[in-house]
Amino acid sequence: GAVVSQHPSWVICKSGTSVKIECRSLDFQATTMFWYRQFPKQSLMLMATSNEGSKATYEQGVEKDKFLINHASLTLSTLTVTSAHPEDSSFYICSAGASEAPYEQYFGPGTRLTVT
Amino acid sequence: QKEVEQNSGPLSVPEGAIASLNCTYSDRGSQSFFWYRQYSGKSPELIMSIYSNGDKEDGRFTAQLNKASQYVSLLIRDSQPSDSATYLCAVNTGFQKLVFGTGTRLLVSP
Repeated sequence: GAVVSQHPSWVICKSGTSVKIECRSLDFQATTMFWYRQFPKQSLMLMATSNEGSKATYEQGVEKDKFLINHASLTLSTLTVTSAHPEDSSFYICSAGASEAPYEQYFGPGTRLTVT
Repeated sequence: QKEVEQNSGPLSVPEGAIASLNCTYSDRGSQSFFWYRQYSGKSPELIMSIYSNGDKEDGRFTAQLNKASQYVSLLIRDSQPSDSATYLCAVNTGFQKLVFGTGTRLLVSP
């Protein structure tokens, strides 16, 4: 399967600051990447779909002005959590999506964000 | 609302036994189905994909799909303690998005 990296793997920030998370598809060109959030003992929650060269599509209830997504190239998507608050503390995971059926998704290792 | 249902478990099996994990989905138009394994504190890892009715085998893993019954399952033969994880069923409902179940926790005891 495809290899997807994320950076950083964990980050601690103070309330009110912004944090940028990078997601890279290392061995294939991903026209579509996805950003998920996972709280402890809960399932994955899709936050947004990121398409290269266009605006991201956010899921209902996800604030697009708070979670800024940029997909500038076929191998890089970034998620910026702006004005982070303790309730934003979570495990953020990106995935790279295959462009042909059956449309597998390959996940990065995730970024654990703690906002103090 | 497109849904994917899984029993949360835990499903406990002894080492060497067959573990059977089940998943049902609500959208009849779903075309492809996936099983992911997620260890505690880690991200999901793709194990199997299936999109035709019947069985698909890969090593100790067999995925089974029955579109008429809207049912997909994963069998793990010769279960090992290292198989202990949460198994997520995911369904492609179109436009490349996946809908995930809440996962079944599998515990394999030595």
